Amino acid sequence: DAGVIQSPRHEVTEMGQEVTLRCKPISGHNSLFWYRQTMMRGLELLIYFNNNVPIDDSGMPEDRFSAKMPNASFSTLKIQPSEPRDSAVYFCASSHQDPRTEAFFGQGTRLTVV
Amino acid sequence: AQSVTQLGSHVSVSEGALVLLRCNYSSSVPPYLFWYVQYPNQGLQLLLKYTSAATLVKGINGFEAEFKKSETSFHLTKPSAHMSDAAEYFCASREGDAGGTSYGKLTFGQGTILTVHP
Repeated sequence: DAGVIQSPRHEVTEMGQEVTLRCKPISGHNSLFWYRQTMMRGLELLIYFNNNVPIDDSGMPEDRFSAKMPNASFSTLKIQPSEPRDSAVYFCASSHQDPRTEAFFGQGTRLTVV
Repeated sequence: AQSVTQLGSHVSVSEGALVLLRCNYSSSVPPYLFWYVQYPNQGLQLLLKYTSAATLVKGINGFEAEFKKSETSFHLTKPSAHMSDAAEYFCASREGDAGGTSYGKLTFGQGTILTVHP
């Protein structure tokens, strides 16, 4: 398996534009996590899904953020409109639902909003 | 809700010295605990995990961690630091209560940056 695949790796956009980050989890995994990493706040869990259903989105900063998982092999994180404070590295991770198993991380998307 | 706290955002050691990175957890149910490492501009990689079997867990690259319920700790150690160990290390916990609403939720501590001096 190629691992968790995120795209794009880098994104530079202007304030106010819509940004969509994409994630393809490892085949067979039924849990998917979105994280945001910044120097100030560290690694924050934004939302996670089990079997394509959002379980906990309490980490989503505000209504400008939304996430979907239309099927087991694809998820998106959308920011609309984007703001400079959204600049961060966004990670997607997948795992089996069994909490004894580890999550595997993608390489991340570095988002810069100017 | 479960959480983990890492004591010390930066740790500096000399090459060959003992590495000790501290992690404490808070949980109302037995936790499942993990240590991950992140190298610059990369994603996180698993070092080791505790899943309620042996309390002393061995991982990759010579790292190990001991689960101590009495201290609610899961500290990461390595007897002899190598320059290649310089990275950021994260302790994480995963919700294991099958009847809970956050079953399987994976949360991380604040991270500890390890610097290794020659």
